[in-house]
Amino acid sequence: QSALTQPPSASGSPGQSVTISCTGPSSDVDISDYVSWYQQYPGKAPKLIIYEVTKRPSGVPDRFSGSKSGNTASLTVSGLQADDEADYYCSSNTASGNVVFGGGTKLTVL
Amino acid sequence: EVQLVESGGGLVQPGGSLRLSCAVSGFGFSHNFMSWVRQAPGKGLEWVAKINPDGSGTYYVDSVKGRFTISRDNAKNSLSLQMDNLRAEDTALYYCATEIWFRFDFWGQGVLVTVSS
Repeated sequence: QSALTQPPSASGSPGQSVTISCTGPSSDVDISDYVSWYQQYPGKAPKLIIYEVTKRPSGVPDRFSGSKSGNTASLTVSGLQADDEADYYCSSNTASGNVVFGGGTKLTVL
Repeated sequence: EVQLVESGGGLVQPGGSLRLSCAVSGFGFSHNFMSWVRQAPGKGLEWVAKINPDGSGTYYVDSVKGRFTISRDNAKNSLSLQMDNLRAEDTALYYCATEIWFRFDFWGQGVLVTVSS
């Protein structure tokens, strides 16, 4: 069960926007309509910030948005703030009904 | 408030066994899928196993099939992961998480499993 592909790092200055991609590697792990994104601070549990490609759980700022095109999903963080600096993971379901994560992207706010 | 509290981690020798538990409160435990997700030191997230609401269906990542068993006790709002024949590569922080349509809404704080001689 191959992982989804994410860039290992991304960065932006405060106030800017940054987009993180997440690509399915094969037909067995297509990016579906059940893509989720998680934010993780060091030493903390992950937090769900986007689900079903574009939906935000209650309490997540609308600076976080998700989209999908073909076999690639994307997370955009607008109006970057210092506390957006964290690791971000995408996930999707597989053809067998399991879940697979991306390798994670470390977002640095310059 | 939803709370998930894992326990049972520790140091174990290769080939040994451990049983992790997760106590869940403030959530409709018996009506939802539950999963275990792990994170090796300095590495990314890896989904490990999940179980359907009544416990009749279980699913595993290929690397743990035949070695790990996920189970649940809906009367006690409790999730378990029996880990046998442990390998060094199973060393990780193990999280229990609620799963709804392939997303993990709530997570525990994690429990550390170290496999080493």
